Amino acid sequence: GDSVTQMEGPVTLSEEAFLTINCTYTATGYPSLFWYVQYPGEGLQLLLKATKADDKGSNKGFEATYRKETTSFHLEKGSVQVSDSAVYFCARWEGGSEKLVFGKGTKLTVNP
Amino acid sequence: NAGVTQTPKFQVLKTGQSMTLQCAQDMNHNSMYWYRQDPGMGLRLIYYSASEGTTDKGEVPNGYNVSRLNKREFSLRLESAAPSQTSVYFCASSLQGSYGYTFGSGTRLTVV
Repeated sequence: GDSVTQMEGPVTLSEEAFLTINCTYTATGYPSLFWYVQYPGEGLQLLLKATKADDKGSNKGFEATYRKETTSFHLEKGSVQVSDSAVYFCARWEGGSEKLVFGKGTKLTVNP
Repeated sequence: NAGVTQTPKFQVLKTGQSMTLQCAQDMNHNSMYWYRQDPGMGLRLIYYSASEGTTDKGEVPNGYNVSRLNKREFSLRLESAAPSQTSVYFCASSLQGSYGYTFGSGTRLTVV
C-alpha cells in the first residue's frame, strides 16, 4: 500500500554539520509532501511543504525538493544548530482517504 | 491566536476508568484528527472527522470513541482504559488536508 519511508535514527551531528534526512514515498499520482518537526515535549509543527513535482520547500534554513523521478523528498540543512535537535517527520497527503500519512520519524541530536 | 488546544496536558488513570480528552480549534478548520504517538511507532491515526457531523475510523480505533460536538470541538473518549492505551495523544485540524495540519501540544496519558 501507499506509505512513507524515512531513514531510521537516531542521527547525531556536531554543530555546523550538514544534515540530510532521507524520505521516500509510494503513492498514486503526485501528492503534496510535508516535513514536520517535533521539539521535546511539544506537538508537531509544519516545517515545510511542496505541492507538485520539482517544487522546493524551505524554512528556517531547511530545504526539501519534490523529486518525482525518485519519489523522494529529502530534508537538508547546510549548517545545523543545537536548537535543531528534534524529531523530524516526513508526510504525504493521501487524497483518497483525505488524510496525511506520516513516516515513523527521525530523531536528530546536535551537539555543541 | 490559540490554534489547537488540548486538555488535559497530563493524566493518570487506573485500568478500567473512563475519561474524555478534549480538543478545540479556533481556526474555522473543517477537518479534525486524533493521533497517538508511541516510541518507535510514529504517529497512528485513531479517528478523524472530515467535516462537522461526520467521523471515521483510522488505523487504531479499538477502545476509543469520538464526538464532533461542533465545528470547533472534537473529543476522544476512552470508555475503559487499558495499560496499552498509555501514550501521547495529539489532536490536529486542517482547513483542507492537502495544505497540512495544525497540531495541539498533546495529552500525555498513563494507564496503571
